[in-house]
Amino acid sequence: SQTIHQWPATLVQPVGSPLSLECTVEGTSNPNLYWYRQAAGRGLQLLFYSVGIGQISSEVPQNLSASRPQDRQFILSSKKLLLSDSGFYLCAWSPRQGLEQYFGPGTRLTVT
Amino acid sequence: AQSVTQLDSHVSVSEGTPVLLRCNYSSSYSPSLFWYVQHPNKGLQLLLKYTSAATLVKGINGFEAEFKKSETSFHLTKPSAHMSDAAEYFCVVSDLYGGSQGNLIFGKGTKLSVKP
Repeated sequence: SQTIHQWPATLVQPVGSPLSLECTVEGTSNPNLYWYRQAAGRGLQLLFYSVGIGQISSEVPQNLSASRPQDRQFILSSKKLLLSDSGFYLCAWSPRQGLEQYFGPGTRLTVT
Repeated sequence: AQSVTQLDSHVSVSEGTPVLLRCNYSSSYSPSLFWYVQHPNKGLQLLLKYTSAATLVKGINGFEAEFKKSETSFHLTKPSAHMSDAAEYFCVVSDLYGGSQGNLIFGKGTKLSVKP
């Protein structure tokens, strides 16, 4: 069966520091991968998605970036965090576009 | 363009009574529809999905939803609420040919409270 991992589970970072969140999927190949952010009271916002290695689509322009160095690895990064980057970050995978997505456990990021 | 409207931001029920969470959608073509549940500080879990087969869809934990094209609705129900059902629920639409590249469109969520 397929599993999806995210780490770290929680993170507290000062403003201006860098960020790296990692997501890996096991038990499937060539998944579509997604990064979402869930800010308090603002619902789920799609940040990036990827249909293959090195292929990244950005949904919302901001100071975050994503990379997919391996088939089942998806990384969310920032060079300098802002207070507004605080939130709950969720990674998800799907067999292909349009199908259901399966979510990881999430990372709670607090920028101070 | 596709959209999803969850008609209630908060629903409160007593344990053992029925649950109804309402969802209306807008889609140009035949959509796929999903319900997800999220417990506090957890990821989203797929409850059930509709993908143009049977209009009454059964999911996990006793939940079910009925796709009604004439009403553009996909309401989530459960005959008897349990305390562990207290969570936030998201109605989601996917429309592969509607301009969103097949990405999921999420409703704003309905928070379900269950009173003992």
